[in-house]
Amino acid sequence: NAGVTQTPKFQVLKTGQSMTLQCAQDMNHEYMSWYRQDPGMGLRLIHYSVGAGITDQGEVPNGYNVSRSTTEDFPLRLLSAAPSQTSVYFCASSFQGGGYTFGSGTRLTVV
Amino acid sequence: GENVEQHPSTLSVQEGDSAVIKCTYSDSASNYFPWYKQELGKRPQLIIDIRSNVGEKKDQRIAVTLNKTAKHFSLHITETQPEDSAVYFCASHTLTGNQFYFGTGTSLTVIP
Repeated sequence: NAGVTQTPKFQVLKTGQSMTLQCAQDMNHEYMSWYRQDPGMGLRLIHYSVGAGITDQGEVPNGYNVSRSTTEDFPLRLLSAAPSQTSVYFCASSFQGGGYTFGSGTRLTVV
Repeated sequence: GENVEQHPSTLSVQEGDSAVIKCTYSDSASNYFPWYKQELGKRPQLIIDIRSNVGEKKDQRIAVTLNKTAKHFSLHITETQPEDSAVYFCASHTLTGNQFYFGTGTSLTVIP
């Protein structure tokens, strides 16, 4: 099992550009989530999904979109990148009632 | 929604001493409490967890205790080693909203 795979690992965007962060898991987990991690602020939930076709907003959803067309994939789209979106992004998955398995993260810089 | 508070934010201990990190939560419907360790530049990794029907759980040098009445849970690391140095996050899972809520993290430094 590869676990949770995130791509890319690093990305630099210009303000206003859009991009998609990819996340895939091969553990047949129902739950998938996207978090951003900023210094001193811990992990903040952006969007999450409890199954294919079901998504919901977390604590900081503005500027991001998600979709969950399959159990395996949960991409995060940045619609129009802003410097405030400079962060480390983690995708995570779990089965119902279990703890998260995190991906290796994407370090995003918006200039 | 749920609010998870974690203390202390930084903790330094001498090698061999014990370390304790405490978290409080607000939602009485929270039923699952994992702890994660994140080494510098790495992903958070689950190290131990506890469910609401259990008061204590141990795994070698680490243990977690839960006090449902007071709504707090704690991570205990005994005989600390330099490789225990990392940021530790607590989390709670609530059936209300079906989400995980994280504490803000504790940076643990074990001094050789």
